[in-house]
Amino acid sequence: DAGVTQSPTHLIKTRGQQVTLRCSPKSGHDTVSWYQQALGQGPQFIFQYYEEEERQRGNFPDRFSGHQFPNYSSELNVNALLLGDSALYLCASSFAPVQGGYEQYFGPGTRLTVT
Amino acid sequence: GIQVEQSPPDLILQEGANSTLRCNFSDSVNNLQWFHQNPWGQLINLFYIPSGTKQNGRLSATTVATERYSLLYISSSQTTDSGVYFCAVVAAGGTSYGKLTFGQGTILTVHP
Repeated sequence: DAGVTQSPTHLIKTRGQQVTLRCSPKSGHDTVSWYQQALGQGPQFIFQYYEEEERQRGNFPDRFSGHQFPNYSSELNVNALLLGDSALYLCASSFAPVQGGYEQYFGPGTRLTVT
Repeated sequence: GIQVEQSPPDLILQEGANSTLRCNFSDSVNNLQWFHQNPWGQLINLFYIPSGTKQNGRLSATTVATERYSLLYISSSQTTDSGVYFCAVVAAGGTSYGKLTFGQGTILTVHP
């Protein structure tokens, strides 16, 4: 049973550039959530996708956008990168986001460095 | 929004010792998970425990939802238990769906 996968593992970008991160959910899951984890902090919720729509969003600017494909995989896009966007980006998958949700499983993360 | 506080922030143990990690949350929850983050950043699921008690080998967890706290017990600790332990919750009500709110974590170091 394949777990959550993410690509790439590491990424170095320059300020002002744009980046796309990818995530494939755990087999049987249809909901994908994205989190940002700064050094020394707990992960912060960015947004959640279900049925190819953004279902819920955290306190992140519009520079952060996403997409979910019919096969449930997802992309996170960040435009106009800032130094402060340097972080570990984590993808989590679960079943449909009914009230309260189900157990979420995380991928290995993409470590983004902005220089 | 809901607040999640973990204690202690740091914990240093000798191999073989037991420990208790605490997670307090400020509002009712529909979901609570404990994770172990390894040095490479991978979040490993330990328990999905919105209420009650569960055990898995040397680890066990208890959530008392009515009193808004959860405890993670680690017995006979090993060096491989080192890392950061996170508690995360989904707030009840409203449109929380699956949004996990994390605590700041407990950094556990186990010395041989």
